[in-house]
Amino acid sequence: TQLLEQSPQFLSIQEGENLTVYCNSSSVFSSLQWYRQEPGEGPVLLVTVVTGGEVKKLKRLTFQFGDARKDSSLHITAAQPGDTGLYLCAVDNAGNMLTFGGGTRLMVKP
Amino acid sequence: NAGVTQTPKFQVLKTGQSMTLQCAQDMNHEYMSWYRQDPGMGLRLIHYSVGAGITDQGEVPNGYNVSRSTTEDFPLRLLSAAPSQTSVYFCASSYKRGSSGNTIYFGEGSWLTVV
Repeated sequence: TQLLEQSPQFLSIQEGENLTVYCNSSSVFSSLQWYRQEPGEGPVLLVTVVTGGEVKKLKRLTFQFGDARKDSSLHITAAQPGDTGLYLCAVDNAGNMLTFGGGTRLMVKP
Repeated sequence: NAGVTQTPKFQVLKTGQSMTLQCAQDMNHEYMSWYRQDPGMGLRLIHYSVGAGITDQGEVPNGYNVSRSTTEDFPLRLLSAAPSQTSVYFCASSYKRGSSGNTIYFGEGSWLTVV
């Protein structure tokens, strides 16, 4: 069983649609990060959430940290083809290095 | 700015061969790490270092060695390549530990195929 479970694994939608992806665990975390990875590149940090219930917005992306700090969600409004990529959540583990979820692969079709 | 630089970008090895993946960062970061990425598995930590001369094992260290003789460089050595080591390898660095208030920078990846 993975420490972080991301769902869905794959998501294919049309431009303009809204979507939500989830990152869940049975463990409590002091903070959680979301990354986006484009083909042929390394992950790039989008946001870090720290406080239970915290909501952060990054343009059309809304990130929420669960009240109990066990889960998080990423909501994208009016998705665009440029949002296509692999979305990864990650938490501190093992000497405070990162443990990643399996990722959600998003494709936004024009 | 170079950031985190990995070489080579692509490599094909025969089973049993050894090789070294190079990683260098120019941000004077103390913390460096190596991850491998397989389909559907996200990234898994292989080895990490919290400073020059200090290394430790991550989640999947078997078959790999690391050393950290300088702050800038953190090479990953495959001792005797196996097909199970076919993967994409990412080097990362950061100024501090963990995720809170910290930005971790990744290299562009090294694609390794073992035949």
